[in-house]
Amino acid sequence: AQSVTQPDIHITVSEGASLELRCNYSYGATPYLFWYVQSPGQGLQLLLKYFSGDTLVQGIKGFEAEFKRSQSSFNLRKPSVHWSDAAEYFCAVGGFGNEKLTFGTGTRLTIIP
Amino acid sequence: KAGVTQTPRYLIKTRGQQVTLSCSPISGHRSVSWYQQTPGQGLQFLFEYFSETQRNKGNFPGRFSGRQFSNSRSEMNVSTLELGDSALYLCASSAQRAMDGYTFGSGTRLTVV
Repeated sequence: AQSVTQPDIHITVSEGASLELRCNYSYGATPYLFWYVQSPGQGLQLLLKYFSGDTLVQGIKGFEAEFKRSQSSFNLRKPSVHWSDAAEYFCAVGGFGNEKLTFGTGTRLTIIP
Repeated sequence: KAGVTQTPRYLIKTRGQQVTLSCSPISGHRSVSWYQQTPGQGLQFLFEYFSETQRNKGNFPGRFSGRQFSNSRSEMNVSTLELGDSALYLCASSAQRAMDGYTFGSGTRLTVV
């Protein structure tokens, strides 16, 4: 079975501060890992994905994520957040031939001035 | 290029009725997936289609069905609506496989009264 845990339901960060959103996964084979972002009333947008290679993955909007196999983690980071980053962030896991993603419950990010 | 288009954006239906939702994927994308998003259950996988064939199906009752046409457009149908079917239904397309990374539509907000 595949699963994703995002332990933080809600995070508040000051504009300009650094950000780290946590994600732990469970998957029986080599995982594909994703981070998506959802703004209110909208669909999800792909930030980045990882399958193999360099364990530090660069995405759009200045985000990056680091895959740590030993910790079954795929945490999302950004060095300096902007007010426009306020949204809900979802981590997801899947596998080749599976044709479905399992999403975490999401982390809502609030940015304060 | 045009994104994933879902119609309608909003629907209000009565218990016991049926509903059909439509999704037009990005041009050239052949895989279409459907997800149900609710505050309580989060994002739940419904099914995935490729070249008019269902490749994977989630754990939803038979009242939920879908299909894909030769132009890759997809529809999902929910029969005998229940109050619990109220949700945001998201369609996502990808080039060939879910692991390519999805492009999501903005969703159809279904309210069952």
